[in-house]
Amino acid sequence: DAGVTQSPTHLIKTRGQQVTLRCSPKSGHDTVSWYQQALGQGPQFIFQYYEEEERQRGNFPDRFSGHQFPNYSSELNVNALLLGDSALYLCASSGTGTEQYFGPGTRLTVT
Amino acid sequence: SQKIEQNSEALNIQEGKTATLTCNYTNYSPAYLQWYRQDPGRGPVFLLLIRENEKEKRKERLKVTFDTTLKQSLFHITASQPADSATYLCAPNAGGTSYGKLTFGQGTILTVHP
Repeated sequence: DAGVTQSPTHLIKTRGQQVTLRCSPKSGHDTVSWYQQALGQGPQFIFQYYEEEERQRGNFPDRFSGHQFPNYSSELNVNALLLGDSALYLCASSGTGTEQYFGPGTRLTVT
Repeated sequence: SQKIEQNSEALNIQEGKTATLTCNYTNYSPAYLQWYRQDPGRGPVFLLLIRENEKEKRKERLKVTFDTTLKQSLFHITASQPADSATYLCAPNAGGTSYGKLTFGQGTILTVHP
């Protein structure tokens, strides 16, 4: 049973560019959440998708947007990248339980 | 505003001892609290969940307590091993409309020395 997978593993972008990160949830899970983790900090909640709709959102600007597909996989899009967007982006999936299962993350570097 | 504080950024102990990590929260009434382990360059891994009406939860060498009066959770690892070295994160959750939205503390880096 594959766990949560994310792609790509690493990414380097230039300020002002746009980026798309991808996530496939654990088998049987229908809810996907995205988090941003800066170095030395805990993960910060960006938003959560369920039934292809954004169900909850954290304190992130509209430059951060997402999508969930019918197969429950999800994308995170970030527009107009800033240096401060450099971080580890984590995807987590959950089903009926309250615990979340995290993927390995995508390391984004903005130069 | 809601605040979560985990004790000291780093905790160093000798193998075989009990590690105790603290999670304090303010301006919060969590319905439950979760603890996760994170290794460098990896995503967090769920360890334990404790609900507001539970005082204590155990899983193998792990024990979590939850004191809603003190607004504090303690996480214990007994008979610690070098393999327990990692960052440990607490995440209180208000439940209800905030269900699934985890707010993490900054984490405590635990190092167990042989």
